[in-house]
Amino acid sequence: QKEVEQDPGPLSVPEGAIVSLNCTYSNSAFQYFMWYRQYSRKGPELLMYTYSSGNKEDGRFTAQVDKSSKYISLFIRDSQPSDSATYLCAMLSNDYKLSFGAGTTVTVRA
Amino acid sequence: NAGVTQTPKFQVLKTGQSMTLQCAQDMNHEYMSWYRQDPGMGLRLIHYSVGAGITDQGEVPNGYNVSRSTTEDFPLRLLSAAPSQTSVYFCASSYSEAETQYFGPGTRLLVL
Repeated sequence: QKEVEQDPGPLSVPEGAIVSLNCTYSNSAFQYFMWYRQYSRKGPELLMYTYSSGNKEDGRFTAQVDKSSKYISLFIRDSQPSDSATYLCAMLSNDYKLSFGAGTTVTVRA
Repeated sequence: NAGVTQTPKFQVLKTGQSMTLQCAQDMNHEYMSWYRQDPGMGLRLIHYSVGAGITDQGEVPNGYNVSRSTTEDFPLRLLSAAPSQTSVYFCASSYSEAETQYFGPGTRLLVL
């Protein structure tokens, strides 16, 4: 079993819809939680970073962490065609091991 | 700043050939790493370095060598390429292993 499980998608939504992305994990040592965005044929870029349970907002993006359920989510409000990308969850353990989910490909239709 | 740069962008090799994937960063980052990305597998760590002269193995190190003679450069060597090494390779860097990593644009490698 992988330490980080991520719904592979793909996900296709109309412009303006809310996009919901999820990851679950099994390693209780994960302390820091990240979401990366990867455009086609590009490297991943950090989108959001959090270390505590609860919600963190940044513009149209909200990252949610539930450590008790070992579950993290990313919500994209008012989605735009420019949000079309692959979204990777990543988790850093307290011994600095970084583990990635497989990624979810999102397409926002104009 | 150029950030993290990788060369080449794309390479085709025959089984048994060797090559070096280049990675450089101009952000004075101590921590550098190499990942491979395969469909459905996410990013998997190959090798990493916490500073010049110090390297260590990641999750999937077999078939790859690294060295770190300078802070800026962290080349990845394939000693004898195999079709299983067909993948997209990303180099990343950060101030430390606890900090956010910045990724390069990737090298697409096809081994025939």
